Amino acid sequence: GENVEQHPSTLSVQEGDSAVIKCTYSDSASNYFPWYKQELGKRPQLIIDIRSNVGEKKDQRIAVTLNKTAKHFSLHITETQPEDSAVYFCAASNIPGNQFYFGTGTSLTVIP
Amino acid sequence: ETGVTQTPRHLVMGMTNKKSLKCEQHLGHNAMYWYKQSAKKPLELMFVYNFKEQTENNSVPSRFSPECPNSSHLFLHLHTLQPEDSALYLCASSRGGGSRGGYTFGSGTRLTVV
Repeated sequence: GENVEQHPSTLSVQEGDSAVIKCTYSDSASNYFPWYKQELGKRPQLIIDIRSNVGEKKDQRIAVTLNKTAKHFSLHITETQPEDSAVYFCAASNIPGNQFYFGTGTSLTVIP
Repeated sequence: ETGVTQTPRHLVMGMTNKKSLKCEQHLGHNAMYWYKQSAKKPLELMFVYNFKEQTENNSVPSRFSPECPNSSHLFLHLHTLQPEDSALYLCASSRGGGSRGGYTFGSGTRLTVV
């Protein structure tokens, strides 16, 4: 089955700096990679996703890159703000099947 | 609300109790899931239902029993739980049937077993 690893487990950055979270996956058949943000006491929410036929996707301050050859994908947050503080989860999925394999999460703290 | 509603939000139960968690979605999704979220662990998939049929059971102990009467409702029946079962239980739904798209999560039920 798929194995998703996520690093780092905790990350602290100064407000305005960039944050990068990296994930690797093992199953070359995985073709869909969403990222979720979970604020304290709240549900995980989809913030951005990327499909295997795309190398990079950007949405305002958030971007995701995918390297299929190396089987890794990363979340980039630029100009971080205190409200970006949360736990971020990556996931990999092989569509069809629709089962998501999650990383262990990264606790991001943005220091004002 | 995201369209996925879980009740109750918090539950405290003794090891001999029987309780049920409920999940309801009004998104027209066909797949529903139960996840367990413990501190410092990845989200653990417990059960998957696709078009009301259970398609995954990830070696979950029999003290957890799922039920999916229709595509909009999902239950998790609990009995004789252990303290280590204390966790946040998240329900999620997706379009299912092989279509792409992320999950929509419910707010979760915070379960404490005493």
